[in-house]
Amino acid sequence: SAVISQKPSRDICQRGTSLTIQCQVDSQVTMMFWYRQQPGQSLTLIATANQGSEATYESGFVIDKFPISRPNLTFSTLTVSNMSPEDSSIYLCSAEMGAGPRRTDTQYFGPGTRLTVL
Amino acid sequence: AQKVTQAQTEISVVEKEDVTLDCVYETRDTTYYLFWYKQPPSGELVFLIRRNSFDEQNEISGRYSWNFQKSTSSFNFTITASQVVDSAVYFCALSEAQAAGNKLTFGGGTRVLVKP
Repeated sequence: SAVISQKPSRDICQRGTSLTIQCQVDSQVTMMFWYRQQPGQSLTLIATANQGSEATYESGFVIDKFPISRPNLTFSTLTVSNMSPEDSSIYLCSAEMGAGPRRTDTQYFGPGTRLTVL
Repeated sequence: AQKVTQAQTEISVVEKEDVTLDCVYETRDTTYYLFWYKQPPSGELVFLIRRNSFDEQNEISGRYSWNFQKSTSSFNFTITASQVVDSAVYFCALSEAQAAGNKLTFGGGTRVLVKP
């Protein structure tokens, strides 16, 4: 496995503002993913972030609302833009361990960022 | 489209009882992976097991065991002699093996409460 950290661990934000969540992996990985977990719900994939290419968004999620950066093989950010109370969720990043031919097909998750929007 | 169903939303047991979590999946692919993750109250998601579609052997790891039956599209998880520390939400997930990244589809989760 690998160590995946996220910052911040939690935040309380005002409606209309934006928050950028950082995800750091302690080894190089090709595939990183961002998920949302609404209160009491399961996880839903927001987008896949591969280094060197634009993020691929799932149905219902758009780049203007959730811009993602992936500047290198160990780091990614997710921004939640123009927030509303409906964005209150846990946001989790994950990484498929290994890069290139060493990819393991198993995702490990960061500890999550608990976001509350007032 | 992929789908994962965990019919049990919550299970409550007394410590030392066994508990089995059901997972049924749907996929059109012949090559796929199945996973179980644990989410304790602290919120992080902990990887427990991965099984690929060609490997139907059951697996045991300590008090945990998994039963994969392709014929019924099920991947059930049993905790033997449950402990209070097993209290968590358990998610079953499915991914189709793709070169562009194995997107996970999660079931709704089963909350397990182990009472002392």
